[in-house]
Amino acid sequence: AQRVTQPEKLLSVFKGAPVELKCNYSYSGSPELFWYVQYSRQRLQLLLRHISRESIKGFTADLNKGETSFHLKKPFAQEEDSAMYYCALRARYNTDKLIFGTGTRLQVFP
Amino acid sequence: KAGVTQTPRYLIKTRGQQVTLSCSPISGHRSVSWYQQTPGQGLQFLFEYFSETQRNKGNFPGRFSGRQFSNSRSEMNVSTLELGDSALYLCASSWAGTSGVYNEQFFGPGTRLTVL
Repeated sequence: AQRVTQPEKLLSVFKGAPVELKCNYSYSGSPELFWYVQYSRQRLQLLLRHISRESIKGFTADLNKGETSFHLKKPFAQEEDSAMYYCALRARYNTDKLIFGTGTRLQVFP
Repeated sequence: KAGVTQTPRYLIKTRGQQVTLSCSPISGHRSVSWYQQTPGQGLQFLFEYFSETQRNKGNFPGRFSGRQFSNSRSEMNVSTLELGDSALYLCASSWAGTSGVYNEQFFGPGTRLTVL
């Protein structure tokens, strides 16, 4: 079964601390994984995807097929990073269907 | 260019009624997907349309239906509303509806449906 698991509902850190939001997936085949972010009162937006191998707003995520993980990391959290973060898996190549995790709320305190 | 728009933004209905939600994708986008977002279940895929054809359907009862028009605008309909249908309904669009670095899905602001 295709599944995305985000074990933490809430992650609280202080500004400047490292952040790691966990994401594990279950998928038979080559997965395509994403991190989406939803800031307060804003729409859901793409943060990054593993196929782009990019760093956005200081965030990075590496696909680890052995551990079936796609954790989101940032070395130094900023207050403006406070938001809801969703890990998502594209179900197949020729589709936009996404399977989302339940999300992790990141709170960054000053 | 304008983003994905959804109308109405808020809707209050009573049990047993039906409702139609509308989504206008970004100009040029041919793929439209719908998701239901609730505090308990999170984001769940409803259906996906590409060039007026339903390409995928999630695990929702037949009361949930949708369609896509030739201009790529999409509507979803929920008949015989139940209390549990109260949710934020999100629409997303993309150009190609497929994998690839050049195909990104953009989400609308959602329609908040409350069933009393």
